[in-house]
Amino acid sequence: QLVLTQSPSASASLGASVKLTCTLSSGHSRYAIAWHQQQPEKGPRYLMKVNSDGSHTKGDGIPDRFSGSISGAERYLTISSLQSEDEAEYYCQAWGTGIQRVVFGGGTKLTVL
Amino acid sequence: QLQMQESGPGLVKPSETLSLTCTVSGSSISSSRHYWGWIRQPPGKGLEWIGSMFYSGSTFYNPSLRSRVTMSVDTSKNQFSLELSSVTAADTAVYYCARHIRERDSSGYSDSWGQGALVTVSS
Repeated sequence: QLVLTQSPSASASLGASVKLTCTLSSGHSRYAIAWHQQQPEKGPRYLMKVNSDGSHTKGDGIPDRFSGSISGAERYLTISSLQSEDEAEYYCQAWGTGIQRVVFGGGTKLTVL
Repeated sequence: QLQMQESGPGLVKPSETLSLTCTVSGSSISSSRHYWGWIRQPPGKGLEWIGSMFYSGSTFYNPSLRSRVTMSVDTSKNQFSLELSSVTAADTAVYYCARHIRERDSSGYSDSWGQGALVTVSS
């Protein structure tokens, strides 16, 4: 069964970098995922798709400070030069052909100190 | 520029049917590249995929909601809709419509979201 696991929270200082992790369940390590940002009291916004080869495709207007990478079954979202507006919930999403066609991770709440 | 807007009653009584419509502008519902989906978020909780639909009528539903969900599309109005029957307080959530980039035999990932519509289930 396709499941995504995210740490509930993360924090980093203004101007620093942070790396958020999304882990794919066993047997799904070659899946692509998408990252979404949800700022407080707003709807989600698509950030990027991270492919199984480590390449990523960003959404329109997403700053270069946001990048994606992989290692095995882990998918990463790195945010550099953190700004106050980066304080948000970050969700990963995967999709496939199984019974559960689309799944979301539980989200990581990022606090910018 | 793609815009998606949810509309429908903000209050639904328990045991009744929740109905929402998503109006799409800037992208054709009839595109072969896209699925159209519904995702919800209960207050203070994470995102839950409800279902995705292709313009031809092909649908994929969350197994946990399948028995209560119906999605439909109106290509003439560039809209798609959600019906969720026999609602309870647990169905209280912000409901988002989203465009999905179709991939192979799957409905793919969300690349654009509506702003969301809060639906409260209460008598």
